[in-house]
Amino acid sequence: EVQLMESGGGLAEPGGSLRLSCAASGFAFTDAWMTWVRQAPGKGLEWVGHIANKADGETTTSTAPVKGRFTISRDASKNTLFLQMNSLKTEDTGVYYCTTVAGRRNSRYYYYYMDVWGKGTTVTVSS
Amino acid sequence: DVQMTQSPSSLSASVGDRVTITCRASHSISIYLNWYQQKPGRAPKLLIFDASSLQSGVPSRFSGSGSETDFTLTISNLQPEDFATYYCQQSNDIPRTFGGGTKVEIK
Repeated sequence: EVQLMESGGGLAEPGGSLRLSCAASGFAFTDAWMTWVRQAPGKGLEWVGHIANKADGETTTSTAPVKGRFTISRDASKNTLFLQMNSLKTEDTGVYYCTTVAGRRNSRYYYYYMDVWGKGTTVTVSS
Repeated sequence: DVQMTQSPSSLSASVGDRVTITCRASHSISIYLNWYQQKPGRAPKLLIFDASSLQSGVPSRFSGSGSETDFTLTISNLQPEDFATYYCQQSNDIPRTFGGGTKVEIK
């Protein structure tokens, strides 16, 4: 069974840092593209970014509001996905989910959807 | 960015009803539209991918249709466990974007 377990959430001050982890099990982590999705309190879902699998060079892409502040990485030896969040802002407050993806691919593009989600970890940015 | 607009933002329905939720993309996304269900305090769950493909284990009362810019999620014979918030999401462009959600409440 595919399982994802996020951790590392908590309270941080504006300008501070947090590192989220997502422990993966039940699938070939090295082969999987992974994403982070967040949800502000009482609001909708926002895609944060993705990291490709090893075969695709572990390239990362992220949404504009977090570019230059958040970094997605992975450690295959630990089957773990990370989200390093620096220069935190109050608007980064919310629940952060990691997901696996699946979908159609061609030579240029991966039309993926988020198929398995973790339970989420809560980040609060406040002074 | 592709803007995804869902309507309505909320609706009230009764058990046994047929419910339709629409999602419109700001420009063509082919068939790359997915639907998720989220219950309070829980992670989202994938229902439909590629506009009309039912995710494994999802009841057949859920169906999706559409292409290009206009998409529909239909729940036939609404069940008590279907009261939740539903989100559409496009996978044609980066950044991936979600609709604002449709909350389905008990009438």
